[in-house]
Amino acid sequence: RKEVEQDPGPFNVPEGATVAFNCTYSNSASQSFFWYRQDCRKEPKLLMSVYSSGNEDGRFTAQLNRASQYISLLIRDSKLSDSATYLCVSFPGDSGGSNYKLTFGKGTLLTVNP
Amino acid sequence: GAVVSQHPSRVICKSGTSVKIECRSLDFQATTMFWYRQFPKQSLMLMATSNEGSKATYEQGVEKDKFLINHASLTLSTLTVTSAHPEDSSFYICSASLGLGEKLFFGSGTQLSVL
Repeated sequence: RKEVEQDPGPFNVPEGATVAFNCTYSNSASQSFFWYRQDCRKEPKLLMSVYSSGNEDGRFTAQLNRASQYISLLIRDSKLSDSATYLCVSFPGDSGGSNYKLTFGKGTLLTVNP
Repeated sequence: GAVVSQHPSRVICKSGTSVKIECRSLDFQATTMFWYRQFPKQSLMLMATSNEGSKATYEQGVEKDKFLINHASLTLSTLTVTSAHPEDSSFYICSASLGLGEKLFFGSGTQLSVL
């Protein structure tokens, strides 16, 4: 099983739609979670961190369910500029305490249409 | 926020040549930097972890003699693709974090095309 698995997509939605991305992680000891967005041929950019209590930033809401090892990202009132690939990222941690490696999901492509 | 600078942004080279890519943390010290490779429509794949003052840690399947990493200072890591071949053509991205498990800041990436 892959460490981080995401909806394969692609998602094509009209402007103004609400879209949700789901992501599961296999390592129950994972400590930190993030959503990044990546535009074509560009570097990933942090969209938001994900906290156990859930967090919201404008039109974006991220939630974490540790019991189900599940992360979600909800985008409300989607804009054309939201078109990108969304990457789910977990920090699996390490028993040695020195593993800085974040694990990326394969990404889900979102296209918002006019 | 923290800034990571990477250059060149694009390289076109002949097969058999070597290419060096630089990654700099501009406003923070990064004892650890990461090098990723991304093929079209694929996810980021970690190639190696670059540790300042010591040898890099390579992921399984990544040839350390082909992808030379040097992290000579707290703000600079370099990746050299030696004897590049067309199959090495890819998008290479570096990143650094402010600490263990912290979010990553990415360089802008280098698109390598080997003819």
